Amino acid sequence: GIQVEQSPPDLILQEGANSTLRCNFSDSVNNLQWFHQNPWGQLINLFYIPSGTKQNGRLSATTVATERYSLLYISSSQTTDSGVYFCAVITGGGNKLTFGTGTQLKVEL
Amino acid sequence: DAGITQSPRHKVTETGTPVTLRCHQTENHRYMYWYRQDPGHGLRLIHYSYGVKDTDKGEVSDGYSVSRSKTEDFLLTLESATSSQTSVYFCAISPGVRETQYFGPGTRLLVL
Repeated sequence: GIQVEQSPPDLILQEGANSTLRCNFSDSVNNLQWFHQNPWGQLINLFYIPSGTKQNGRLSATTVATERYSLLYISSSQTTDSGVYFCAVITGGGNKLTFGTGTQLKVEL
Repeated sequence: DAGITQSPRHKVTETGTPVTLRCHQTENHRYMYWYRQDPGHGLRLIHYSYGVKDTDKGEVSDGYSVSRSKTEDFLLTLESATSSQTSVYFCAISPGVRETQYFGPGTRLLVL
C-alpha cells in the first residue's frame, strides 16, 4: 500500500515563529488532506489539497502531486497551534484515507 | 464545522460484552466511515458505508460489524469486546468518494 511519511516528527517553536511541515507519499493520490489534532483529541480539517496551493489565515499548504509531496506552512505560530498535524491521502479507486505518521508541534511562550 | 456527533463519548466495558457506538450526521452526506486510532498505528479504517444499507470492510474489520438503516446514522458494533479493541474510535463523513472527509469528536473505549 501507499506509504505516507511526515517530517519532522517533533517540533518545538517559540510563539511567533514560522514553520514548514512536510508530507511525502509513495504513489499518486486523488485526495490529500491536512488535519490538526488538538490536545483534546479532536481532528480538525485544515485543507483539502490534492494539488496546488491554498491559504487560510496564518496557514497555507502546497501540494506538488507530480513530485509526491505536500507542505504545510504555519506563520506567526500561537500556543493554540500545538498538537499533532497529520496529512492523509486517498490513492487509486479507493476511498480510504491513509494517514501519515504525524508531526507533534509544541508552541511555547 | 460539519454536524457530526458520536455517542457515547467515553465507555468502559468488560471483555466479552457487546458494545455499540453511534455516529449521527446532519449534513446528509452519502459516505460514512469508522476509523480507530492507536499509538504507533495512526488512524485505520474499520468499515465504511456508501449509502443506506450499503457497507463494506476496511483494513481492520475483524471483530466489528456495522449497520446503516438511515442516511444520518451509522452504527459500529463490537459483538464481543476484547482488550485489543481498546482504542479511540472516530466517525467521518464525506459527500462523495475521494472528497473531503470530516471527522466527529471521537469515542474513547476501554475494554477491561
